[in-house]
Amino acid sequence: DTAVSQTPKYLVTQMGNDKSIKCEQNLGHDTMYWYKQDSKKFLKIMFSYNNKELIINETVPNRFSPKSPDKAHLNLHINSLELGDSAVYFCASSQDRAGRSRGNEQFFGPGTRLTVL
Amino acid sequence: RKEVEQDPGPFNVPEGATVAFNCTYSNSASQSFFWYRQDCRKEPKLLMSVYSSGNEDGRFTAQLNRASQYISLLIRDSKLSDSATYLCAVNIGATGRRALTFGSGTRLQVQP
Repeated sequence: DTAVSQTPKYLVTQMGNDKSIKCEQNLGHDTMYWYKQDSKKFLKIMFSYNNKELIINETVPNRFSPKSPDKAHLNLHINSLELGDSAVYFCASSQDRAGRSRGNEQFFGPGTRLTVL
Repeated sequence: RKEVEQDPGPFNVPEGATVAFNCTYSNSASQSFFWYRQDCRKEPKLLMSVYSSGNEDGRFTAQLNRASQYISLLIRDSKLSDSATYLCAVNIGATGRRALTFGSGTRLQVQP
C-alpha cells in the first residue's frame, strides 16, 4: 500500500547514457513533482505537473524531460547523462486545494540514487 | 540571501532535553509552511504543517512569525529516535504551483 513509489531505487550508469526513472502515486493526488537532492543534501524542485500539465520547469537542462501519462504517474527521462547528474531524485505528490493556503502537504517517494560514472 | 535558511547544526542534545530550531524565509508572499524530517538515506517525511496560530503534535510544537519571517520547531523530551535532519519548507505558489522551497536542514543528534 505504498503511497508514492519510484523505480529503480538505485541506478548506476556510464556518462553519455540515457535513463528513465518512474514514479507512481496511489493517493489520488492531482499534482506531482520531481526534486533533486545533491551531495550537500540540498533539496531543489525540478518540475511540477498538475493534472498531467507541466506547471513548473525550473532551470533544468533540457536533457531532463518529464512525462506524465496520467495523474498517477510522472516519469523522468534523462539524456546524455553527465557526472554532475549524480544525486538522489525524489518524486512527490500533493492534492492542490485551490484557494487554500493550508494543506497541500507533499508526500515523497523513497528516492532514486543515481550514480553516473 | 537564500530563500530559506536554517542553521545546519549539528545539535547534540541529551535524551530528555528540549531543543528548538528556527528557519527564516525571505519571501513575504510565502503561504504555506512545513517541517519535514529526513533520516539518513531516506526520503523527507512530513512532520507537521505550521499554522499561523501555532500548532502542537505531541512533543512537537511549531510556530510561525510572519512579521519576522521565521518558523520554529520545538521538540520536548527528546528521544534517541528523534535523531535526524529537520528540513523546513515553504511555498509561495499560486494554485497548481505549490512546489516547496527547502532549507538545507538542521541535523539533530540525541545522545543517551
